[in-house]
Amino acid sequence: GQNIDQPTEMTATEGAIVQINCTYQTSGFNGLFWYQQHAGEAPTFLSYNVLDGLEEKGRFSSFLSRSKGYSYLLLKELQMKDSASYLCAVEDSNYQLIWGAGTKLIIKP
Amino acid sequence: IAGITQAPTSQILAAGRRMTLRCTQDMRHNAMYWYRQDLGLGLRLIHYSNTAGTTGKGEVPDGYSVSRANTDDFPLTLASAVPSQTSVYFCASSTLAGELDTQYFGPGTRLTVL
Repeated sequence: GQNIDQPTEMTATEGAIVQINCTYQTSGFNGLFWYQQHAGEAPTFLSYNVLDGLEEKGRFSSFLSRSKGYSYLLLKELQMKDSASYLCAVEDSNYQLIWGAGTKLIIKP
Repeated sequence: IAGITQAPTSQILAAGRRMTLRCTQDMRHNAMYWYRQDLGLGLRLIHYSNTAGTTGKGEVPDGYSVSRANTDDFPLTLASAVPSQTSVYFCASSTLAGELDTQYFGPGTRLTVL
């Protein structure tokens, strides 16, 4: 079966750095996506990785290791507005997204 | 430009009733999707459409039907609602199907079936 695992909840301090991990087992791999979802709102796209390595976008970076079935999202200089759920999704061989349950990130002052 | 709109925002429905959730996009995206999101579970694909006139089944299609008469609209119908269909429903679209492409989501419909 297909499986995406990520921690249910994480807590971090404003101004700090946090790493949210995602491991996956899927039928094929075409790419890995990270989305942000604030409570009561729709998911919004953050980043995607196709090749191994680190992709940096401002305060957010995403890393991929295809051989290990592993990715992480790194958030730097945390702000209170970063409190949200972070969703990991893998596009499988049928070009459909398989979603993790999401990691709820709580930022404390 | 509105992007993707969904209606209604929320709905309480008696079991056994028929309900259509509406989704409209103005981005001229070829592909559209319906997901449900339940607490503790990831988004699950119900149905999708790669282009106008075609539809396909996702992971959890039972109890739902869709149509894609044109590029912009992708309604989701519950023929006879059951309590297990209580969920938040998101419509999404992407430029192309069959390629690595970002999906954009509507604001969601919160449906409660009693």
